[in-house]
Amino acid sequence: GNSVTQMEGPVTLSEEAFLTINCTYTATGYPSLFWYVQYPGEGLQLLLKATKADDKGSNKGFEATYRKETTSFHLEKGSVQVSDSAVYFCALSDQADNAGNMLTFGGGTRLMVKP
Amino acid sequence: DAGITQSPRHKVTETGTPVTLRCHQTENHRYMYWYRQDPGHGLRLIHYSYGVKDTDKGEVSDGYSVSRSKTEDFLLTLESATSSQTSVYFCAISDRSSSGRGNEQFFGPGTRLTVL
Repeated sequence: GNSVTQMEGPVTLSEEAFLTINCTYTATGYPSLFWYVQYPGEGLQLLLKATKADDKGSNKGFEATYRKETTSFHLEKGSVQVSDSAVYFCALSDQADNAGNMLTFGGGTRLMVKP
Repeated sequence: DAGITQSPRHKVTETGTPVTLRCHQTENHRYMYWYRQDPGHGLRLIHYSYGVKDTDKGEVSDGYSVSRSKTEDFLLTLESATSSQTSVYFCAISDRSSSGRGNEQFFGPGTRLTVL
């Protein structure tokens, strides 16, 4: 089956520090990969995605590259801000006949950025 | 923001009582999903729907049932709530793209359910 493993948190950084959150996956097919972000008290929202190998997704200064050879999709940001404090979820979707693109999530990584 | 609302937003109930959570969308998306979020587990799929009256089980469906009588509404029912069902419940919607890949799911604000 499909699974996603991401580093456990919390990750605590100072403002302007470099961020990496690791994500690796196993999939039976050829998945699309996603990073979702959840701010306190809110639902999840899509941060970025990649649908094929070597694609780079990017948004709001965050980037992640689909690495098929290492089955990874690590999230990076060059300079974090306090407003980036949130929980980040790596996820994959594999096409299913009836379920649209069903998502499998990692356990989430809480990021805390201090001024 | 995608038009997804969930009701109620918070609920406290007692073990053994029935509970129904509602998800309402204004996007006319085909697919709707119910997840539960628990610490260390990320989000786990409970049930999903691929059309009116078309539903199927997800990873953690025991103790839950769903119904979808209209495109816009997807109901999640706990027939007899247990303390293990204390969680935050999220509804999500999506539609199929022409390529069939990379479809974004849009999430509602969540319902915090406490079963005493």
